[in-house]
Amino acid sequence: AQSVTQPDIHITVSEGASLELRCNYSYGATPYLFWYVQSPGQGLQLLLKYFSGDTLVQGIKGFEAEFKRSQSSFNLRKPSVHWSDAAEYFCAVGPNQAGTALIFGKGTTLSVSS
Amino acid sequence: GAVVSQHPSWVICKSGTSVKIECRSLDFQATTMFWYRQFPKQSLMLMATSNEGSKATYEQGVEKDKFLINHASLTLSTLTVTSAHPEDSSFYICSALSGTSVSNEQFFGPGTRLTVL
Repeated sequence: AQSVTQPDIHITVSEGASLELRCNYSYGATPYLFWYVQSPGQGLQLLLKYFSGDTLVQGIKGFEAEFKRSQSSFNLRKPSVHWSDAAEYFCAVGPNQAGTALIFGKGTTLSVSS
Repeated sequence: GAVVSQHPSWVICKSGTSVKIECRSLDFQATTMFWYRQFPKQSLMLMATSNEGSKATYEQGVEKDKFLINHASLTLSTLTVTSAHPEDSSFYICSALSGTSVSNEQFFGPGTRLTVL
């Protein structure tokens, strides 16, 4: 079955420290992979996406993610976290087929301490 | 580009009434739109897939007679929650897929907060 696992429900990071949010997926073929961020009461904003090519993907707001096929992972990283990064982060996968919905992980809540 | 709007952004209604939520793609034509539901502190769950000019495809467990979806044009899909009950209170998010997209990138609306009293 297709699924996305975000093992960490809640992470607290000090401002200025590095961040890594984990995402593992179960999929029959090479999926399209996405990371979204959601602030309280808001919709989803796309941080970055992986379709093919270079497995290290750069996104907005200084985020990057690395696709590791052997580990079925697509972890999100940021070298230095800012207080404004506190939000809910969702990893999602979609098939290599337009017109189909995404499967979302349960999300990781990021808190940033000063 | 690729902006999706939802209206209203929040709505409060009485139990038993119906509520319509609009999802519009503002600068592109969306052949496919998706409706998701999100409970507090939880992930997005797909409710239905809406294709322009055809009937929506509902996910298992979603009542099609309760959640009416209409995708009458390439820029508008509506979700009507009929005879709403407090358990229908949730955050409803739509997304739209561009007809010219060669990938599966979807563009999400800002969501609609529904509270049923």
